[in-house]
Amino acid sequence: IAGITQAPTSQILAAGRRMTLRCTQDMRHNAMYWYRQDLGLGLRLIHYSNTAGTTGKGEVPDGYSVSRANTDDFPLTLASAVPSQTSVYFCASTGGQTGELFFGEGSRLTVL
Amino acid sequence: GQNIDQPTEMTATEGAIVQINCTYQTSGFNGLFWYQQHAGEAPTFLSYNVLDGLEEKGRFSSFLSRSKGYSYLLLKELQMKDSASYLCAVMDSNYQLIWGAGTKLIIKP
Repeated sequence: IAGITQAPTSQILAAGRRMTLRCTQDMRHNAMYWYRQDLGLGLRLIHYSNTAGTTGKGEVPDGYSVSRANTDDFPLTLASAVPSQTSVYFCASTGGQTGELFFGEGSRLTVL
Repeated sequence: GQNIDQPTEMTATEGAIVQINCTYQTSGFNGLFWYQQHAGEAPTFLSYNVLDGLEEKGRFSSFLSRSKGYSYLLLKELQMKDSASYLCAVMDSNYQLIWGAGTKLIIKP
């Protein structure tokens, strides 16, 4: 099934631990994004990649890093998780003329 | 700063019509999007407006006035499955999306 796959769907981890959220798309989209969604706030962009080999910082990049070794994969890493990073994380990609975003199902992360 | 405003919550009756408003102040404008998000799920694309006027797509329509910094999403013949959050997003001059916090729509029988 074409689309975006995120893993894990849910995770609880202790503060200070390292965590990587995986994102894979099979639509051959060039641009990919990582957002976090918190109650009462709009989606906030963490990092983005316009094409394989390039990445950029979004609105809330601190504490997160990304890589884009190829077109399909765009992992998000929390080097040392903190409780404020408890959130729902969405990976998205776009390749359409209108800039329509296609989202993964989300990864619910709880940092204790 | 850049800002997207939309009501936090709205309630409507099954079979009725509801209008969800969105006002924006952004650095430039390259289009406005509406997404639907059911609880616990990912957002899904509903509509895109870049020119003034009304775009109709089945039971859903979206309107844009660039001079007023205003859009609305109109949902007709409401069904229970329309209970969801509706997210307004504007693409700014840097082609970055600025998101509103979303409007939670509650449909009552």
